[in-house]
Amino acid sequence: DIVMTQTPLSLSVTPGQPASISCKSSQSLLHSDGKTYLYWYLQKPGQPPQLLIYEVSNRFSGVPDRFSGSGSGTDFTLKISRVEAEDVGVYYCMQSIQLLRTFGQGTKLEIK
Amino acid sequence: QVQLVESGGGVVQPGRSLRLSCAASGFTFSTYAMHWVRQAPGKGLEWVALISYDGSNKYYADSVKGRFTISRDNSKNTLYLQMNSLRAEDTAVYYCARGRGQWLERSYFDYWGQGALVTVSS
Repeated sequence: DIVMTQTPLSLSVTPGQPASISCKSSQSLLHSDGKTYLYWYLQKPGQPPQLLIYEVSNRFSGVPDRFSGSGSGTDFTLKISRVEAEDVGVYYCMQSIQLLRTFGQGTKLEIK
Repeated sequence: QVQLVESGGGVVQPGRSLRLSCAASGFTFSTYAMHWVRQAPGKGLEWVALISYDGSNKYYADSVKGRFTISRDNSKNTLYLQMNSLRAEDTAVYYCARGRGQWLERSYFDYWGQGALVTVSS
């Protein structure tokens, strides 16, 4: 199984300031088809997860452009350029290069 | 808009069975793979099962293989999860999620339902 490791596990950010979350996988997420199967989800309090970023760096429909994803191979980053109050929740990275999709432990973002 | 609504959750004794349903609307259900993902109370996310758009291919996490069965009825736009021989460790919120991507085995989740709570307890 591929282990996904996120850091930090919690983050407290002042509104308007940037935030960054790291995700490292135990194996490369680059497939021979040329795609990298890494995703970012946000689970707001009391809600199901929602897709933010697919295949490393593509913002899903309706996701604000303050969210961006980058990385390659086994190292990935989610950045929020200017945190807003509505961004609170738990952020998860996920891989789907293997049938057994696995998630990171989650990073809890709070507002200062 | 895409809507996924789970039902069928509840409290069940260990060893008993339960069936979850997920009613889909706002998209052509019969053309999408579907997944079940669960989240134990206060814990992270765990993928459970996947079914192809036509029901011909099904895949399961090892933790539920042989006990859970995923199925779908495209005429009713509904996804199911039959859960047998339930254990305390199956206690979780179960989400249905639409599959997206070129390849079934590497599909991801683009829309999620609100979830159904399953509690396994005597």
